[in-house]
Amino acid sequence: AQSVSQHNHHVILSEAASLELGCNYSYGGTVNLFWYVQYPGQHLQLLLKYFSGDPLVKGIKGFEAEFIKSKFSFNLRKPSVQWSDTAEYFCAGPISNTGKLIFGQGTTLQVKP
Amino acid sequence: NAGVTQTPKFQVLKTGQSMTLQCAQDMNHEYMSWYRQDPGMGLRLIHYSVGAGITDQGEVPNGYNVSRSTTEDFPLRLLSAAPSQTSVYFCASSYSGTGVTLGGYTFGSGTRLTIV
Repeated sequence: AQSVSQHNHHVILSEAASLELGCNYSYGGTVNLFWYVQYPGQHLQLLLKYFSGDPLVKGIKGFEAEFIKSKFSFNLRKPSVQWSDTAEYFCAGPISNTGKLIFGQGTTLQVKP
Repeated sequence: NAGVTQTPKFQVLKTGQSMTLQCAQDMNHEYMSWYRQDPGMGLRLIHYSVGAGITDQGEVPNGYNVSRSTTEDFPLRLLSAAPSQTSVYFCASSYSGTGVTLGGYTFGSGTRLTIV
């Protein structure tokens, strides 16, 4: 079955620490992947996306992600987190030609000042 | 402002009551979806639509109905509310086909629904 999974469910970091959140997918064909962020009490916002070309994708607010086809992964990274990055992060992938977007379980990031 | 509008933002229902969550978008998006968000479970797809008059079930459709009579609107109906349907509900929309890939989905601000 097609799926997207996130293995880190709750991450706690201090400000200025580096961040890496894992995302793995298991579907074939054309692979396109997204990272969404949900700040407390708000809706989901697109952080970055991969659809082709350079596997290293840069998004908003200093986030980046690397698509590694051989590892079926699309991990999210940030060199130095801030307290304002406290949020829930979701990895997602569209299922081609279906209109369906499937999500990982989400990772709650708590950044301590 | 262009976007996805959900109403209401909060609702408390009694078990057995019915209600409709409203979702409207003004971006002429073909694709629309309803998700529920529960702690530790991410977002699970309830129903989705690829265009007016076309709907299909997602992962967790039981207890919910949808219709898509216009491109703009995609209401979600709870026929007989149960405590297990206590959740936060998000509506989302996207252009079809390549648009889903290039732009991703745009999400509404959510409806927090409590069934007592």
